[in-house]
Amino acid sequence: SAVISQKPSRDICQRGTSLTIQCQVDSQVTMMFWYRQQPGQSLTLIATANQGSEATYESGFVIDKFPISRPNLTFSTLTVSNMSPEDSSIYLCSVAFGGGHTGELFFGEGSRLTVL
Amino acid sequence: GNSVTQMEGPVTLSEEAFLTINCTYTATGYPSLFWYVQYPGEGLQLLLKATKADDKGSNKGFEATYRKETTSFHLEKGSVQVSDSAVYFCALKAGTASKLTFGTGTRLQVTL
Repeated sequence: SAVISQKPSRDICQRGTSLTIQCQVDSQVTMMFWYRQQPGQSLTLIATANQGSEATYESGFVIDKFPISRPNLTFSTLTVSNMSPEDSSIYLCSVAFGGGHTGELFFGEGSRLTVL
Repeated sequence: GNSVTQMEGPVTLSEEAFLTINCTYTATGYPSLFWYVQYPGEGLQLLLKATKADDKGSNKGFEATYRKETTSFHLEKGSVQVSDSAVYFCALKAGTASKLTFGTGTRLQVTL
């Protein structure tokens, strides 16, 4: 298992600003992911954070809007850039061990962003 | 594409009642199926899973059977407790990719 800490846990942001969310894991993990959960919606994968290289983004998500860093095997950041009210959401960091083939993911508690 | 449909909540039950949360899926091939649970103030955690047709996943008194003929993976528990109050997410994983496709979640509230 893994203990995943996300910061901030919640924030209220102004339109047009950017916010960086941090994800710290208590052990080295192979795979790290960023999900978004909009109000009343399912969890949607934003991207896979790759250590030492550019993240792999899902359809509908782009690096300019959601830049991601992963400098090592225990830490990643997600930035939500130029925010609008539509970006109000819970952002979740999750990790998997091995190649993620079992489908078991471990999640942080999430970062709840409200954009005014 | 792949998708997961869950019954809408909230589901409100009295303690010791029987629980069913419906989940159906659409996927190519033979996906693996999961139920995740999110207790208040905590991150999602895996509750149970099934990787092939007719498999039954079970944990903490919860069960779900992978039904390929009906493309379903309904979650059941014979007697719920107040401590089961949480949001339950059905999910699938198709092929060798690590990506999970989630349903919208169903909130369960159990009262005394």
